[in-house]
Amino acid sequence: DTEVTQTPKHLVMGMTNKKSLKCEQHMGHRAMYWYKQKAKKPPELMFVYSYEKLSINESVPSRFSPECPNSSLLNLHLHALQPEDSALYLCASSQGGGGQPQHFGDGTRLSIL
Amino acid sequence: GIQVEQSPPDLILQEGANSTLRCNFSDSVNNLQWFHQNPWGQLINLFYIPSGTKQNGRLSATTVATERYSLLYISSSQTTDSGVYFCAVKTQGGSEKLVFGKGTKLTVNP
Repeated sequence: DTEVTQTPKHLVMGMTNKKSLKCEQHMGHRAMYWYKQKAKKPPELMFVYSYEKLSINESVPSRFSPECPNSSLLNLHLHALQPEDSALYLCASSQGGGGQPQHFGDGTRLSIL
Repeated sequence: GIQVEQSPPDLILQEGANSTLRCNFSDSVNNLQWFHQNPWGQLINLFYIPSGTKQNGRLSATTVATERYSLLYISSSQTTDSGVYFCAVKTQGGSEKLVFGKGTKLTVNP
């Protein structure tokens, strides 16, 4: 799905760096999501924002900090990550509420040195 | 929580062959999606199909909600169909959480 745009596509960072992943959608969706996907595994939910408020945090370590500045934007701030945090990070959006389909971006492939 | 099981885990086909992928789930759902993840990691929406049957070109899907399973049919497979196919569901009355199965890895050889 190309209606959800994620930047950057690739990111290499050291364990002491601070970086941010960005996600943008212009479909008027009210729910936005961050997923983490390790190699050969399915995506796993990290956070859900509904109407710009954090509604689900799947016990994610505090070195990952989500932010939803407005209904179109979702950020994931990264600080003091570990090598095991290397993964594909996927953003998704949906109209929210009940059984609405989720639309995924192309992901950011993150490598921690 | 809801359990999602996909079968088979791996499938190897010759170009032109047909295949059926299955997704079983353990509870009532109000969202069921089939995705194709290509070798570059892109997760592509194939179908949103909590019930009924849909077709899109060579692909079709059927969900029998009362029996808690969904099938994805791929006809006349092409090498570009290779990748991992995921089924993902959301429970009725549950949270916004989409739960993925472990996927079926499809390899289509020329």
